[in-house]
Amino acid sequence: DAKTTQPNSMESNEEEPVHLPCNHSTISGTDYIHWYRQLPSQGPEYVIHGLTSNVNNRMASLAIAEDRKSSTLILHRATLRDAAVYYCILKDSGGSNYKLTFGKGTLLTVNP
Amino acid sequence: DTGVSQNPRHKITKRGQNVTFRCDPISEHNRLYWYRQTLGQGPEFLTYFQNEAQLEKSRLLSDRFSAERPKGSFSTLEIQRTEQGDSAMYLCASSQPRGRGTGASYEQYFGPGTRLTVT
Repeated sequence: DAKTTQPNSMESNEEEPVHLPCNHSTISGTDYIHWYRQLPSQGPEYVIHGLTSNVNNRMASLAIAEDRKSSTLILHRATLRDAAVYYCILKDSGGSNYKLTFGKGTLLTVNP
Repeated sequence: DTGVSQNPRHKITKRGQNVTFRCDPISEHNRLYWYRQTLGQGPEFLTYFQNEAQLEKSRLLSDRFSAERPKGSFSTLEIQRTEQGDSAMYLCASSQPRGRGTGASYEQYFGPGTRLTVT
């Protein structure tokens, strides 16, 4: 699976927007971009995914660069419950396993 | 739908003992994955099942590890002759509703994990 690069940590204030970046310069045409997050002492939780177009759901928005070499997860109004490690993961739709290959992710701290 | 459940949540064992963990996936999912997570790292893939068939095993899964998914429902992960290096969080996930085609777009639903401590 192609690798992703994320900042080790980011900080935000409550009720402010948060933009979490991810670089994936070696992404292939068949790779989906997935985001998961892991709250303290819990298993990872699916956030959002996309292929080429920007995506919105109740949790977040995903902005994908036109060349697909980078993406940004947007939390529109951070809450204390959003404090977690956020993982950006590429999933190859050309294979058949669809395992998730996690990096170290970005630790998001939300200040009250 | 009660989500993915794992038992036990915590297990402390002495080096050399055998341990077994259980995972109950979301009932309509036909894919089941096991991951291992050590402190400060992201989860690492161990193995996965499609229905009852174990289709891939990571090289992380030594001969002391065995996983089963009888009848394509719950799964067990057994570690024989545990070592201190086996101490980790063991996570189970399921995906892909039955009757739907395969695809990389399906999200995985994770359980809370089993934390293993080998003393």
